[in-house]
Amino acid sequence: DTGVSQDPRHKITKRGQNVTFRCDPISEHNRLYWYRQTLGQGPEFLTYFQNEAQLEKSRLLSDRFSAERPKGSFSTLEIQRTEQGDSAMYLCASSSTSGRIGELFFGEGSRLTVL
Amino acid sequence: GESVGLHLPTLSVQEGDNSIINCAYSNSASDYFIWYKQESGKGPQFIIDIRSNMDKRQGQRVTVLLNKTVKHLSLQIAATQPGDSAVYFCAENSGSVENDYKLSFGAGTTVTVRA
Repeated sequence: DTGVSQDPRHKITKRGQNVTFRCDPISEHNRLYWYRQTLGQGPEFLTYFQNEAQLEKSRLLSDRFSAERPKGSFSTLEIQRTEQGDSAMYLCASSSTSGRIGELFFGEGSRLTVL
Repeated sequence: GESVGLHLPTLSVQEGDNSIINCAYSNSASDYFIWYKQESGKGPQFIIDIRSNMDKRQGQRVTVLLNKTVKHLSLQIAATQPGDSAVYFCAENSGSVENDYKLSFGAGTTVTVRA
């Protein structure tokens, strides 16, 4: 499968714990995005990388959240000191600058449940 | 806040009938709109896009209509099939290559196809 892959698919954690999600984009894509989706809502933009540079972060991304893309390939999203309000689906997407504007290729998401 | 939204959260359609999914947007500066489809347990998938200098665009069994006067967008699905059952999101961005990372999604319409 050459699509966007995310790991883990599901994570249950206790409040206050740290969690890390990994995203492997489509290999030739230089752009990588993180979105968050809560039940019944559309995805909300969190952050964006072009190659290894993080070019924008949403105000939704508090200082407990950090994302990296160290070599311009895979990315990690870490949430420190998790809160119940962090429970959501975390979606990763990738795209190419040579592709269609707005055509993001999403992974299947990592669902976080904070108890 | 969100600049796009949908008129109805759910739509039930008889197999073989046409479906029409509506979306209203508030940002008059938006010049690029996209429809995404999200099946259960999967990430959103690009369906079709339209620029603000167009009022209609057709794809395979789908048509997107844009009415800039009333800031309304619709997705028409011809001869709806069981595989069309999903949540449909409209999304918008400013349309430039530099800004395509920041799509704003509406809340979504859940389409259920009756056999």
